[in-house]
Amino acid sequence: NAGVTQTPKFQVLKTGQSMTLQCAQDMNHEYMSWYRQDPGMGLRLIHYSVGAGITDQGEVPNGYNVSRSTTEDFPLRLLSAAPSQTSVYFCASSYSTGEGEQFFGPGTRLTVL
Amino acid sequence: AQKVTQAQTEISVVEKEDVTLDCVYETRDTTYYLFWYKQPPSGELVFLIRRNSFDEQNEISGRYSWNFQKSTSSFNFTITASQVVDSAVYFCALSEALPGILTGGGNKLTFGTGTQLKVEL
Repeated sequence: NAGVTQTPKFQVLKTGQSMTLQCAQDMNHEYMSWYRQDPGMGLRLIHYSVGAGITDQGEVPNGYNVSRSTTEDFPLRLLSAAPSQTSVYFCASSYSTGEGEQFFGPGTRLTVL
Repeated sequence: AQKVTQAQTEISVVEKEDVTLDCVYETRDTTYYLFWYKQPPSGELVFLIRRNSFDEQNEISGRYSWNFQKSTSSFNFTITASQVVDSAVYFCALSEALPGILTGGGNKLTFGTGTQLKVEL
């Protein structure tokens, strides 16, 4: 049972480049989400999904796209990277009920030059 | 809108001291959940505790204890006899129930900005 996995662990992009951050979980969780962590700001929700085919925006969705074609995978796409997207990105999953503990992946540290 | 405030940005203590991390929250929901997560220097997020809004009993787990008071909208975390390994950033978070039109509900976590705890010898 690998839990929540994220790839890559580190990434450096140039402004304007695109890339996809991968996230997968093997716990059969319905709910998955993406957060970004910036110094002094805690974690902020980017996008979330409550099941395959269902996604919605969080607090800071601009510049990011998501899709959920399977229960296991929830990739985050940056279409045209900007320096403001330099951050640490965490993927999380949980059971669908409100009280579910969220399990976090190890994070991806992204730098946009 | 939900909000979580962790007013203490950084706390430094000497090993074996007790330390309390404060968390104050705002929500209009009657049903909600509160969480504490630990982020050690290695960067991962470690779940510590979950508490629902109907259970105001304090909880103790080893050197850790939590005090939930709805009257003051606070969910404080105390570490007794702190150790160097407790050095980390600690986040308090509040769970918001998703709209009923979304299958299965699910939750959105609103995080505080975190408290950096440094425990020195």
